[in-house]
Amino acid sequence: EIVMTQSPATLSVSPGERATLSCRASQSVSSNLAWYQQKPGQAPRLLIYGASTRATGIPARFSGSGSGTEFTLTISRLQSEDFAVYYCQQYNNWYTFGQGTKLEIK
Amino acid sequence: EVQLVESGGGLVQPGGSLRLSCAASGFTVSSNYMSWVRQAPGKGLEWVSLLYSDGRTYYTDSVKGRFTISRHNSKNTLYLQMNSLRAEDTAVYYCARVDTTGSYFDSWGQGTLVTVSS
Repeated sequence: EIVMTQSPATLSVSPGERATLSCRASQSVSSNLAWYQQKPGQAPRLLIYGASTRATGIPARFSGSGSGTEFTLTISRLQSEDFAVYYCQQYNNWYTFGQGTKLEIK
Repeated sequence: EVQLVESGGGLVQPGGSLRLSCAASGFTVSSNYMSWVRQAPGKGLEWVSLLYSDGRTYYTDSVKGRFTISRHNSKNTLYLQMNSLRAEDTAVYYCARVDTTGSYFDSWGQGTLVTVSS
């Protein structure tokens, strides 16, 4: 099983600033990586797939990068609605998720 | 508009059974890959099961032999039959559509809570 490790567990950032979230795979997943946003009491929402392609309707302030084992989700100019939990997911070998990064208001 | 609505969750005793339903609209379940993903209280996401459009089914190891994924084409509905339930199966269960390449989950339902407890 491919293990996905996200860091940090919690990230405190001020509105208007940039947030950088990391995701590491235990073995190469090529670019077969997605990012999801989940707000309390809600279902996850797809943000990024193919490591760097934004899903339909996702604002341009969300960007993804990386390949192989190291990935990054960057949110520029944080808005109030961006504070949530973010999960990465690999789909190179079945499906596994990271444990999540909680993005909170500083 | 794509919409997924789960139902069927509830409180069940260990060893019991439950069937979850996921009614879809805005697309055809039988023409898509569909999955169940669960989330234990306060925890992360875990893939549970996958149903291909050609009928092939796949499961995570912890539910093999206990859970069965299926669909009813005319009702455009996905199901998850859960037998021999354990406390560790307690979670919110989400129905999700998988993209056409079988890769990521592009649409999700709101989830239904399953609690396994005596």
